[in-house]
Amino acid sequence: QKEVEQDPGPLSVPEGAIVSLNCTYSNSAFQYFMWYRQYSRKGPELLMYTYSSGNKEDGRFTAQVDKSSKYISLFIRDSQPSDSATYLCAMKRGTEFYFGTGTSLTVIP
Amino acid sequence: KAGVTQTPRYLIKTRGQQVTLSCSPISGHRSVSWYQQTPGQGLQFLFEYFSETQRNKGNFPGRFSGRQFSNSRSEMNVSTLELGDSALYLCASSLDTASNYGYTFGSGTRLTVV
Repeated sequence: QKEVEQDPGPLSVPEGAIVSLNCTYSNSAFQYFMWYRQYSRKGPELLMYTYSSGNKEDGRFTAQVDKSSKYISLFIRDSQPSDSATYLCAMKRGTEFYFGTGTSLTVIP
Repeated sequence: KAGVTQTPRYLIKTRGQQVTLSCSPISGHRSVSWYQQTPGQGLQFLFEYFSETQRNKGNFPGRFSGRQFSNSRSEMNVSTLELGDSALYLCASSLDTASNYGYTFGSGTRLTVV
């Protein structure tokens, strides 16, 4: 069993929809949580990072961490076609990062 | 501000050959990490270099090696290539070793082994 689990999708939504992307993890030692966005033929780009449980908002993006349930989410409001990409969650334990396999999202105009 | 630069972008090699990939981190970043990305396994950590020293190493065979130069540029080498080495190889840089706030990734080198 992987330490970080992420539903690969693919996920297809109409423009303007609210998107929810999720990851679960098994080790409570994870302390820092990140979301990356990866466009085709590009490297991952850091979207958001958070340390504590709760919500962190940045524009149309909200990252949510629930350490008691070992569950993190990324919400995208008013989704746009430009949001079409693969979204990867990542977590840090000690000096190492662990990544989810990514969820492929397509926003249909 | 220039990002992380990886060269070449694409490579096609035959089994048994070796390959060297190059990464130039963001100016001022001293930590460089390498990842292998495949559709089935996602991102898998290869190694991290900081100030020319390997700080961490992932669970890859000894055919995978790397180094970092005094200007923080890094190279990784894969010897005796196998078909399963076909992947996107990503370099990521950060100010310090294992920054809590994640990395800046390059666009990767797409290696195809035939």
